[in-house]
Amino acid sequence: KAGVTQTPRYLIKTRGQQVTLSCSPISGHRSVSWYQQTPGQGLQFLFEYFSETQRNKGNFPGRFSGRQFSNSRSEMNVSTLELGDSALYLCASSLSGFTDTQYFGPGTRLTVL
Amino acid sequence: AQKVTQAQTEISVVEKEDVTLDCVYETRDTTYYLFWYKQPPSGELVFLIRRNSFDEQNEISGRYSWNFQKSTSSFNFTITASQVVDSAVYFCALIPNYGGSQGNLIFGKGTKLSVKP
Repeated sequence: KAGVTQTPRYLIKTRGQQVTLSCSPISGHRSVSWYQQTPGQGLQFLFEYFSETQRNKGNFPGRFSGRQFSNSRSEMNVSTLELGDSALYLCASSLSGFTDTQYFGPGTRLTVL
Repeated sequence: AQKVTQAQTEISVVEKEDVTLDCVYETRDTTYYLFWYKQPPSGELVFLIRRNSFDEQNEISGRYSWNFQKSTSSFNFTITASQVVDSAVYFCALIPNYGGSQGNLIFGKGTKLSVKP
């Protein structure tokens, strides 16, 4: 079974721009969670989607948004990029969310200049 | 409050040494799940183990073993006869089992393990 895939793997943007990251879950998994990893804050939960619905959201500003499609693929968008948004963005999938084991993708490394 | 503490920021050992990574958690819930993940330099988090709060049996998988003690809220991870390939950052994580916690893994800050040949 193919693992979680994320595209692109690397991105360089400038302040004020917006960016869209994509995540394809493991086949059969319907829940997708997103995390931001930075050296200072560590791994922080952004949001979780199941059946095209956002079920849970972390403590991030509204510039961070996401969506999920009917095939469970998910995208996250960050608008009006700030320098502090530079991070590794990790996507994880699980069968149905809640307390299921999450399997992670390789991440997208975003650099904001 | 839900919290995971990994007090060891970095550990360095020589190959074949045993090493234990500590994890202490806080949760008000009686039902919860604990995890360990490994993050090699490539960045991907690799799932190692999942344990629920009602199962305090220790687990061994090859050179890896886990010691779960509810009395001390700890879920420690031991690597026996460490190898260079074990070098990575290891994360302990928690999900409590209550509404509103869907899909939200609470991570510790991680322990960077360096195994030298």
